[in-house]
Amino acid sequence: ETGVTQTPRHLVMGMTNKKSLKCEQHLGHNAMYWYKQSAKKPLELMFVYSLEERVENNSVPSRFSPECPNSSHLFLHLHTLQPEDSALYLCASSQADRASTDTQYFGPGTRLTVL
Amino acid sequence: AQSVTQPDIHITVSEGASLELRCNYSYGATPYLFWYVQSPGQGLQLLLKYFSGDTLVQGIKGFEAEFKRSQSSFNLRKPSVHWSDAAEYFCASRGNEKLTFGTGTRLTIIP
Repeated sequence: ETGVTQTPRHLVMGMTNKKSLKCEQHLGHNAMYWYKQSAKKPLELMFVYSLEERVENNSVPSRFSPECPNSSHLFLHLHTLQPEDSALYLCASSQADRASTDTQYFGPGTRLTVL
Repeated sequence: AQSVTQPDIHITVSEGASLELRCNYSYGATPYLFWYVQSPGQGLQLLLKYFSGDTLVQGIKGFEAEFKRSQSSFNLRKPSVHWSDAAEYFCASRGNEKLTFGTGTRLTIIP
């Protein structure tokens, strides 16, 4: 399954570090998403980009900063994170238009640990 | 607001036995419905989806799901599970808003 790729797969960082997560989709989609998956919690939608413009930001702390330079790439820039930010971060993409079913396809995730 | 309920947190099934995972949604109209599977340390893989038409939907890996409007349900079934089916299963719905996920059901397979 190589439709949506994410790097790195694992990341350990200190609270003062700055790092970035990368997502790339090879499906020709026009929308991309960041989700956070914590233990024993439902998936939390963090950001949505459609046609490279941010259309939704679900009150995510400013220490998370997304970037979508084109329809195939999505980044999540991280700085001064907290230990409770440790989670699996999932990227997804979809074809979001009236003619499609807007089915989301997910990458393998980045397992983030904040020390 | 729409919501998805998966009432079973954990299910254990013997290999070769049948499986049914429950999912109920809350939405005024008929939403789009999905089942995803997540193996440990992996992302979510789409098993099947329902948008309209035939209420019995076939998916990958031998799974099927049935949409029942009267019960607001979209239960996932498999006639005979394999050890490789051990994973976490997520039901999701999308009305006119974002994709909403249930909390997941963890499936354990015993010999």
